[in-house]
Amino acid sequence: VQLVQSGSELKKPGASVKLSCKTSGYSFNKHAVNWVRQAPGQGLEWLGWINTNTGNPTYAPGFTGRFVLSLDTSVSTAYLQINSLRPDDTAVYYCARDDNWYFDFWGQGALLTVSS
Amino acid sequence: EIVLTQSPATLSLSPGESATLSCRASQSLSSYLAWYQQKPGRAPRLLIYDASNRATGIPARFSGSGSGTDFTLTISSLEPEDFAVYYCHYRSTWRPIFGPGTKVDIK
Repeated sequence: VQLVQSGSELKKPGASVKLSCKTSGYSFNKHAVNWVRQAPGQGLEWLGWINTNTGNPTYAPGFTGRFVLSLDTSVSTAYLQINSLRPDDTAVYYCARDDNWYFDFWGQGALLTVSS
Repeated sequence: EIVLTQSPATLSLSPGESATLSCRASQSLSSYLAWYQQKPGRAPRLLIYDASNRATGIPARFSGSGSGTDFTLTISSLEPEDFAVYYCHYRSTWRPIFGPGTKVDIK
């Protein structure tokens, strides 16, 4: 099982970014994908999850509106798009495979820096 | 809203010593609690799920216990690679919650 995330991004405030999480080694539609944010020097914060069967996303409070979870099942990849970026979006974003609501495999993380 | 509190915030120990980390919930979680280990610059790793079950490949020196509102992660004899931050996690089907973490550092 592997989850491989796209690389670091440097964006200006107001821009958008789309992070990817390419999975392999298991049946993509058998496990949901969760996203977790970690601001610099801070703890883990659950952002949301996406059902890989239906494509239906669920967002944590505080992550509605600007955050969009999506899939491309043809390449077993999940995406997190963040619009109208703000400096406080600066963080490492992790994707994680869901196994019975526990996160058993994680991507390596993608550092997003939002700065003018 | 469920809140997880971890104590202590920092635990300073020597290799070979035993570590006891606590996670307390504001409401009963039944046994739906996990523990993760995170090293600097690395993704978290699942250690324990359902309060007391070791994840695949996790050494036997890691053990979890508890139910309801009080949970414990015990590391029986610290190895050099065990110095890290440990997070507890409530396995909610609608809003997973992480605790703030306990840092285990070298004394």
